[in-house]
Amino acid sequence: ELKVEQNPLFLSMQEGKNYTIYCNYSTTSDRLYWYRQDPGKSLESLFVLLSNGAVKQEGRLMASLDTKARLSTLHITAAVHDLSATYFCAVVPYSGGGADGLTFGKGTHLIIQP
Amino acid sequence: EPEVTQTPSHQVTQMGQEVILRCVPISNHLYFYWYRQILGQKVEFLVSFYNNEISEKSEIFDDQFSVERPDGSNFTLKIRSTKLEDSAMYFCASSQRALQETQYFGPGTRLLVL
Repeated sequence: ELKVEQNPLFLSMQEGKNYTIYCNYSTTSDRLYWYRQDPGKSLESLFVLLSNGAVKQEGRLMASLDTKARLSTLHITAAVHDLSATYFCAVVPYSGGGADGLTFGKGTHLIIQP
Repeated sequence: EPEVTQTPSHQVTQMGQEVILRCVPISNHLYFYWYRQILGQKVEFLVSFYNNEISEKSEIFDDQFSVERPDGSNFTLKIRSTKLEDSAMYFCASSQRALQETQYFGPGTRLLVL
């Protein structure tokens, strides 16, 4: 059974600081996704990482993937209040095809304080 | 920008009743999914659907659940006899292709079973 673990689960940080959220998964995967969810809202896609060493950046967020270590990171640079949300990573086990359901981590609830 | 839509946004039902949740995926997408999120918990995969048949389903998707694409635009999730533990937010998602593609999530239907 595929397990996806995020840490930390809760993070309170100050504006302007940097921090990293970690996502470990338990089986071979060739795709890893990061989503953002605001309270009471749907999931917004942030990144899709498709290969070992993949790095993607959007604004103050940067995601990377190490398939050998089965680890992805989401790095926040110079945090601003608007980034307060819950961040989920999700993984699809390597299957070679088909409509694959995502296995999500528990999410990291991020609060950024002024 | 095209988006996934879902109706209703909220549904309250009595235990044992049948409910149908409706989704309109993005028009040129071929893969459709249902997920659920119990309040405060992680997002869980229920089922994926491609070419008018179920592609993959989780252990949660038992005989009380069914999915259908009754026409060229709608994608429905039916719960035949609701239980208290079915109370959750149900998200529909779609993707253009299964591999290397983002799954775009709808706004969700909040189901409350009394």
